[in-house]
Amino acid sequence: QSVLTQPPSLSAAPGQKVTISCSGDSSNIGDNYVSWYQQLPGTAPKLLIYENKRRPSGIPDRFSGSKSGTSATLAITGIQTGDEADYYCGTWGDKLRLGNYVFGGGTKVTVL
Amino acid sequence: EVQMVESGGGLIQPGGSLRLSCEVSGFTVSMNFMSWVRQSPGKGLEWVSVMYNDDRTDYADSVKGRFTISRDNSKNTMYLQLNSLRAEDTAVYYCARGKWELSAWGQGTPVTVSS
Repeated sequence: QSVLTQPPSLSAAPGQKVTISCSGDSSNIGDNYVSWYQQLPGTAPKLLIYENKRRPSGIPDRFSGSKSGTSATLAITGIQTGDEADYYCGTWGDKLRLGNYVFGGGTKVTVL
Repeated sequence: EVQMVESGGGLIQPGGSLRLSCEVSGFTVSMNFMSWVRQSPGKGLEWVSVMYNDDRTDYADSVKGRFTISRDNSKNTMYLQLNSLRAEDTAVYYCARGKWELSAWGQGTPVTVSS
């Protein structure tokens, strides 16, 4: 059981918009920045979004993030077959600890 | 260019030990927060441990007292010592850079705990 809640799977046709939700509480999402990670099949995760909505260099602007209260959302506009992957949200779980990074359970995105 | 290369994984019997390495190039390990994250077969990501740039460390409750994170500044390498291994520690172990966000990841090294 993951600390952050994501839908297990989503599917969309090429070109459509997909939104992935990530729900937490006041101790994690509500009090910290949210990041999003993309894991293509058979590869390591890659940072997609950080500080709720910022994109690292090289990440296309088709990917966007937002946060409101204790929830965050990743949006993928104009989805492509190459975007088929598992997507994870992550954030700091407890500021009182030195370490406690928490992840969502992941959302498998299928492009039909 | 940032590169992070893990090694040291393998098949180990329950109760055994392994030391995982994460050799880094492109940035200085000692000046960054460095984490280990694992992924059990077919499962999601689980944070394991972090080392701050001031040497402070922390661990997930599931590994506390059994795993130890460390680094060798001269080799720009992170380590994760895994002791008293259990079947549920079977996973791909990734090293990652960062604290608030994990901005760079290695390719992972698989650990299988089985008799």
